[in-house]
Amino acid sequence: AQSVTQPDIHITVSEGASLELRCNYSYGATPYLFWYVQSPGQGLQLLLKYFSGDTLVQGIKGFEAEFKRSQSSFNLRKPSVHWSDAAEYFCAVGLYNNNDMRFGAGTRLTVKP
Amino acid sequence: GAVVSQHPSWVICKSGTSVKIECRSLDFQATTMFWYRQFPKQSLMLMATSNEGSKATYEQGVEKDKFLINHASLTLSTLTVTSAHPEDSSFYICSARDGRRGIQETQYFGPGTRLLVL
Repeated sequence: AQSVTQPDIHITVSEGASLELRCNYSYGATPYLFWYVQSPGQGLQLLLKYFSGDTLVQGIKGFEAEFKRSQSSFNLRKPSVHWSDAAEYFCAVGLYNNNDMRFGAGTRLTVKP
Repeated sequence: GAVVSQHPSWVICKSGTSVKIECRSLDFQATTMFWYRQFPKQSLMLMATSNEGSKATYEQGVEKDKFLINHASLTLSTLTVTSAHPEDSSFYICSARDGRRGIQETQYFGPGTRLLVL
Protein backbone atom coordinates (compact mmCIF):
# COMPACT_ATOMS: atom_id res chain seq x y z
CA ALA A 1 0.00 0.00 0.00
CA GLN A 2 1.10 3.54 -0.65
CA SER A 3 2.27 5.20 2.54
CA VAL A 4 4.62 7.55 4.31
CA THR A 5 6.17 6.05 7.42
CA GLN A 6 7.83 7.83 10.28
CA PRO A 7 8.97 4.99 12.52
CA ASP A 8 9.70 7.11 15.58
CA ILE A 9 6.67 8.53 17.35
CA HIS A 10 8.72 10.41 19.94
CA ILE A 11 12.41 11.25 20.16
CA THR A 12 14.24 12.96 23.00
CA VAL A 13 17.67 14.50 22.48
CA SER A 14 19.87 16.74 24.57
CA GLU A 15 20.43 20.29 23.50
CA GLY A 16 23.52 20.47 21.34
CA ALA A 17 23.29 16.84 20.29
CA SER A 18 22.79 15.73 16.72
CA LEU A 19 19.39 14.70 15.41
CA GLU A 20 18.11 12.36 12.74
CA LEU A 21 14.42 11.83 12.05
CA ARG A 22 13.52 8.94 9.80
CA CYS A 23 11.07 8.88 6.92
CA ASN A 24 10.31 6.10 4.46
CA TYR A 25 7.82 6.14 1.63
CA SER A 26 6.28 3.52 -0.60
CA TYR A 27 4.95 5.50 -3.53
CA GLY A 28 5.98 4.76 -7.07
CA ALA A 29 7.16 7.09 -9.78
CA THR A 30 9.09 10.24 -8.97
CA PRO A 31 8.62 11.24 -5.37
CA TYR A 32 8.32 14.81 -4.29
CA LEU A 33 9.40 14.87 -0.67
CA PHE A 34 8.92 17.40 2.10
CA TRP A 35 9.63 17.96 5.75
CA TYR A 36 7.37 20.24 7.78
CA VAL A 37 7.55 21.37 11.39
CA GLN A 38 4.54 22.15 13.56
CA SER A 39 4.68 23.90 16.92
CA PRO A 40 1.82 23.25 19.36
CA GLY A 41 -1.46 24.72 18.14
CA GLN A 42 0.15 26.11 15.02
CA GLY A 43 0.09 25.43 11.31
CA LEU A 44 2.88 23.81 9.36
CA GLN A 45 6.13 25.42 8.31
CA LEU A 46 8.12 24.03 5.40
CA LEU A 47 11.66 23.06 6.39
CA LEU A 48 12.86 21.73 3.06
CA LYS A 49 11.81 19.88 -0.05
CA TYR A 50 13.23 17.55 -2.67
CA PHE A 51 12.10 17.37 -6.27
CA SER A 52 15.18 16.33 -8.22
CA GLY A 53 18.90 16.88 -8.51
CA ASP A 54 21.27 16.89 -5.56
CA THR A 55 20.04 14.30 -3.10
CA LEU A 56 21.28 16.29 -0.10
CA VAL A 57 18.90 19.15 0.49
CA GLN A 58 19.53 22.12 2.74
CA GLY A 59 16.64 23.75 4.54
CA ILE A 60 15.88 26.46 7.03
CA LYS A 61 16.94 26.52 10.67
CA GLY A 62 20.04 24.45 9.97
CA PHE A 63 18.17 21.32 8.85
CA GLU A 64 19.14 19.09 5.96
CA ALA A 65 17.72 15.92 4.49
CA GLU A 66 19.09 13.23 2.23
CA PHE A 67 17.06 11.39 -0.39
CA LYS A 68 18.12 7.78 -0.84
CA ARG A 69 16.19 6.16 -3.65
CA SER A 70 17.55 2.67 -2.92
CA GLN A 71 16.19 2.86 0.61
CA SER A 72 13.06 4.87 -0.21
CA SER A 73 14.08 7.21 2.55
CA PHE A 74 14.25 10.93 3.17
CA ASN A 75 15.75 11.37 6.63
CA LEU A 76 15.97 14.76 8.30
CA ARG A 77 19.13 15.76 10.14
CA LYS A 78 20.51 18.57 12.22
CA PRO A 79 24.05 18.58 13.63
CA SER A 80 23.24 20.48 16.83
CA VAL A 81 19.73 20.74 18.23
CA HIS A 82 18.47 23.86 19.96
CA TRP A 83 15.73 23.96 22.61
CA SER A 84 13.54 25.87 20.15
CA ASP A 85 13.54 22.87 17.81
CA ALA A 86 11.16 21.03 20.11
CA ALA A 87 8.06 20.46 17.97
CA GLU A 88 6.26 17.91 15.83
CA TYR A 89 7.92 17.01 12.54
CA PHE A 90 6.05 15.66 9.55
CA CYS A 91 7.41 14.02 6.45
CA ALA A 92 5.20 14.30 3.37
CA VAL A 93 5.03 13.09 -0.20
CA GLY A 94 3.61 15.11 -3.07
CA LEU A 95 1.57 13.10 -5.56
CA TYR A 96 -0.11 13.72 -8.90
CA ASN A 97 2.23 16.43 -10.11
CA ASN A 98 2.51 17.66 -6.54
CA ASN A 99 -1.14 18.57 -6.34
CA ASP A 100 -1.88 16.11 -3.56
CA MET A 101 0.10 15.71 -0.37
CA ARG A 102 0.18 12.77 2.03
CA PHE A 103 1.68 13.02 5.46
CA GLY A 104 3.45 10.64 7.77
CA ALA A 105 2.19 10.21 11.31
CA GLY A 106 4.72 12.67 12.68
CA THR A 107 7.62 12.52 15.14
CA ARG A 108 7.48 14.54 18.31
CA LEU A 109 10.86 15.96 19.28
CA THR A 110 11.65 16.79 22.89
CA VAL A 111 14.87 18.65 23.67
CA LYS A 112 16.45 18.17 27.10
CA PRO A 113 18.44 21.02 28.64
CA GLY B 1 6.89 34.87 1.25
CA ALA B 2 3.57 33.22 0.61
CA VAL B 3 1.15 33.67 3.48
CA VAL B 4 -2.09 31.85 4.14
CA SER B 5 -4.49 33.02 6.81
CA GLN B 6 -7.41 31.32 8.46
CA HIS B 7 -10.32 32.82 10.31
CA PRO B 8 -11.34 32.25 12.99
CA SER B 9 -8.42 30.72 14.84
CA TRP B 10 -10.73 29.42 17.54
CA VAL B 11 -14.44 28.68 17.49
CA ILE B 12 -16.73 27.17 20.08
CA CYS B 13 -20.26 26.35 19.06
CA LYS B 14 -23.31 24.45 20.20
CA SER B 15 -24.19 21.09 18.74
CA GLY B 16 -26.44 21.45 15.70
CA THR B 17 -25.15 24.80 14.54
CA SER B 18 -23.08 25.44 11.43
CA VAL B 19 -19.61 26.92 11.45
CA LYS B 20 -17.79 28.58 8.57
CA ILE B 21 -14.00 28.71 8.38
CA GLU B 22 -12.24 30.98 5.91
CA CYS B 23 -8.91 30.35 4.25
CA ARG B 24 -7.21 33.18 2.37
CA SER B 25 -4.02 33.40 0.36
CA LEU B 26 -2.75 36.87 1.15
CA ASP B 27 -0.01 37.52 -1.36
CA PHE B 28 -0.53 34.99 -4.10
CA GLN B 29 -3.31 33.43 -6.12
CA ALA B 30 -4.25 29.91 -5.15
CA THR B 31 -5.48 27.77 -8.01
CA THR B 32 -5.91 24.92 -5.55
CA MET B 33 -6.77 24.89 -1.88
CA PHE B 34 -6.74 21.93 0.44
CA TRP B 35 -8.53 21.23 3.69
CA TYR B 36 -7.04 18.97 6.32
CA ARG B 37 -8.23 17.72 9.64
CA GLN B 38 -5.91 16.92 12.52
CA PHE B 39 -6.86 15.10 15.69
CA PRO B 40 -4.75 15.56 18.84
CA LYS B 41 -1.31 14.02 18.53
CA GLN B 42 -2.10 12.71 15.05
CA SER B 43 -1.14 13.56 11.52
CA LEU B 44 -2.99 15.67 8.99
CA MET B 45 -5.70 13.90 7.06
CA LEU B 46 -6.70 15.38 3.74
CA MET B 47 -10.42 16.05 3.63
CA ALA B 48 -10.86 17.65 0.25
CA THR B 49 -9.18 19.46 -2.60
CA SER B 50 -10.78 22.43 -4.30
CA ASN B 51 -9.83 24.12 -7.52
CA GLU B 52 -11.01 27.67 -8.10
CA GLY B 53 -14.36 27.72 -9.79
CA SER B 54 -14.87 23.97 -9.56
CA LYS B 55 -16.55 21.62 -7.15
CA ALA B 56 -14.36 20.22 -4.44
CA THR B 57 -13.05 16.68 -4.60
CA TYR B 58 -13.59 14.88 -1.32
CA GLU B 59 -11.51 12.07 0.10
CA GLN B 60 -13.13 8.75 0.78
CA GLY B 61 -15.11 8.79 3.98
CA VAL B 62 -15.58 12.56 4.10
CA GLU B 63 -19.24 13.59 3.91
CA LYS B 64 -19.80 16.18 1.21
CA ASP B 65 -23.03 17.42 2.75
CA LYS B 66 -21.40 17.70 6.14
CA PHE B 67 -18.32 19.62 5.09
CA LEU B 68 -19.26 22.17 2.44
CA ILE B 69 -16.35 23.68 0.57
CA ASN B 70 -16.50 26.74 -1.63
CA HIS B 71 -13.55 28.10 -3.61
CA ALA B 72 -15.13 31.03 -5.36
CA SER B 73 -12.01 33.09 -5.96
CA LEU B 74 -8.27 32.66 -6.34
CA THR B 75 -7.69 33.94 -2.82
CA LEU B 76 -10.53 32.53 -0.75
CA SER B 77 -11.87 29.13 0.15
CA THR B 78 -14.40 28.38 2.86
CA LEU B 79 -15.19 25.24 4.80
CA THR B 80 -18.61 25.07 6.42
CA VAL B 81 -19.22 22.38 8.99
CA THR B 82 -22.97 21.90 8.87
CA SER B 83 -24.97 20.76 11.88
CA ALA B 84 -21.81 20.33 13.89
CA HIS B 85 -21.59 17.63 16.54
CA PRO B 86 -19.00 17.00 19.25
CA GLU B 87 -17.23 14.43 17.08
CA ASP B 88 -16.50 17.21 14.58
CA SER B 89 -14.32 18.93 17.16
CA SER B 90 -10.86 19.05 15.69
CA PHE B 91 -8.08 21.22 14.31
CA TYR B 92 -8.79 22.20 10.72
CA ILE B 93 -5.91 23.35 8.56
CA CYS B 94 -6.07 24.72 5.06
CA SER B 95 -3.31 25.04 2.52
CA ALA B 96 -3.04 26.81 -0.79
CA ARG B 97 -1.00 26.36 -3.92
CA ASP B 98 -0.59 28.18 -7.21
CA GLY B 99 -0.31 25.28 -9.64
CA ARG B 100 0.42 27.63 -12.53
CA ARG B 101 3.89 28.18 -11.08
CA GLY B 102 4.82 24.61 -11.90
CA ILE B 103 5.18 21.28 -10.25
CA GLN B 104 7.75 22.50 -7.75
CA GLU B 105 5.42 25.08 -6.26
CA THR B 106 4.66 23.88 -2.77
CA GLN B 107 1.58 24.11 -0.63
CA TYR B 108 1.54 26.89 1.94
CA PHE B 109 -0.31 26.17 5.13
CA GLY B 110 -2.57 28.31 7.23
CA PRO B 111 -2.24 28.51 11.01
CA GLY B 112 -5.26 26.30 11.60
CA THR B 113 -8.68 26.67 13.20
CA ARG B 114 -9.56 24.85 16.36
CA LEU B 115 -13.22 23.87 16.51
CA LEU B 116 -14.89 22.78 19.71
CA VAL B 117 -18.49 21.64 19.52
CA LEU B 118 -20.31 21.46 22.82
